[in-house]
Amino acid sequence: DAMVIQNPRYQVTQFGKPVTLSCSQTLNHNVMYWYQQKSSQAPKLLFHYYDKDFNNEADTPDNFQSRRPNTSFCFLDIRSPGLGDAAMYLCATSRDRPRAQHFGDGTRLSIL
Amino acid sequence: QKEVEQNSGPLSVPEGAIASLNCTYSDRGSQSFFWYRQYSGKSPELIMFIYSNGDKEDGRFTAQLNKASQYVSLLIRDSQPSDSATYLCAAFNAGGTSYGKLTFGQGTILTVHP
Repeated sequence: DAMVIQNPRYQVTQFGKPVTLSCSQTLNHNVMYWYQQKSSQAPKLLFHYYDKDFNNEADTPDNFQSRRPNTSFCFLDIRSPGLGDAAMYLCATSRDRPRAQHFGDGTRLSIL
Repeated sequence: QKEVEQNSGPLSVPEGAIASLNCTYSDRGSQSFFWYRQYSGKSPELIMFIYSNGDKEDGRFTAQLNKASQYVSLLIRDSQPSDSATYLCAAFNAGGTSYGKLTFGQGTILTVHP
């Protein structure tokens, strides 16, 4: 089945230690998104790639970076995680406009 | 003011009843609306979308849109315990660009009790 896969499902890192979350898709969608979702809150869009074009949201901290080496893969890098970065990170894809988005199962990040 | 607002709940209904989930949005330029279901610890799953005023039905689910009142709702008939989840409302606005933006509400927790 075509899908969006996120690895790992759970990630524990130490305060200030860089961490990378990965996302892959077999839907061949040209747009990929990264969201941060904290408990009882709406998913917050961090950035997205429209094809190879990177689009950062204005309020996304510089601590968060992303890479998309090809259509299928996208990575979220957190350079120096703080306690406030503990959250569920969701990857999603869509074809062109961000209407019907397909989500991966998410990575739950914990910071020690 | 939040752009997409939902009552966080929890909304508790008995099995077999109709669950009514509501959402309001502030951006009059919003063109289409989506309902996602999110089970605890899982990712959102798209269950309905609507872009015209009125009702749209899909099985036990009915989405309702009133653009004049900037109001969207989701009705779940014959609610089952398996419907217990958080329901996220999202609004799409093309924003005059080729891309547009999808904005999520914070979600309503629904509990269906036997």
